[in-house]
Amino acid sequence: DSGVTQTPKHLITATGQRVTLRCSPRSGDLSVYWYQQSLDQGLQFLIQYYNGEERAKGNILERFSAQQFPDLHSELNLSSLELGDSALYFCASSSQTGMGTDTQYFGPGTRLTVL
Amino acid sequence: AQSVTQLDSQVPVFEEAPVELRCNYSSSVSVYLFWYVQYPNQGLQLLLKYLSGSTLVKGINGFEAEFNKSQTSFHLRKPSVHISDTAEYFCAVGSNNNDMRFGAGTRLTVKP
Repeated sequence: DSGVTQTPKHLITATGQRVTLRCSPRSGDLSVYWYQQSLDQGLQFLIQYYNGEERAKGNILERFSAQQFPDLHSELNLSSLELGDSALYFCASSSQTGMGTDTQYFGPGTRLTVL
Repeated sequence: AQSVTQLDSQVPVFEEAPVELRCNYSSSVSVYLFWYVQYPNQGLQLLLKYLSGSTLVKGINGFEAEFNKSQTSFHLRKPSVHISDTAEYFCAVGSNNNDMRFGAGTRLTVKP
């Protein structure tokens, strides 16, 4: 158990809909990262927040947005969903700001299925 | 920007045999290297990482990796694998530019 929690575990929705994925980092960790894992694209970094501020941006679509709240939990919002958004979405956390050097602790993931 | 290539998408091996999972990277700046493991239906877990110092890095579960700057490689090795090592293994490269790239993954299957 990494200490990172993600809800829900599974999510099934229809095209055009909007969903929110939630992540609680390990106690004491200030950085939260979001990743998308799919068979064709592999593991793609989406976005990083550190102590409430956006720190780094990866391959995140404009239809997707995220935020980190004062209690450090984070939400990833996916809107106008398409079939190709079906994937496993991971949240990870670390204690520092440096994505390139820090050990990241991954949650169990949310499996999103868009029908 | 840096990139990482895992040279084998699948590696089948018999139990108690040695294994090497290959990883090559490219970068124009100093790099930091990681190996993560993903067991079925779980998130990724750090096996080991190289930030500086000794080029031979020992990790959890008996794994080790060697940083080879001249060959831009960071191959993962284990002298004797167990059935429980069956998993997906990801090499990743990070930098001081706050960037992290993961490889496509290598699926290790250990057969009895």
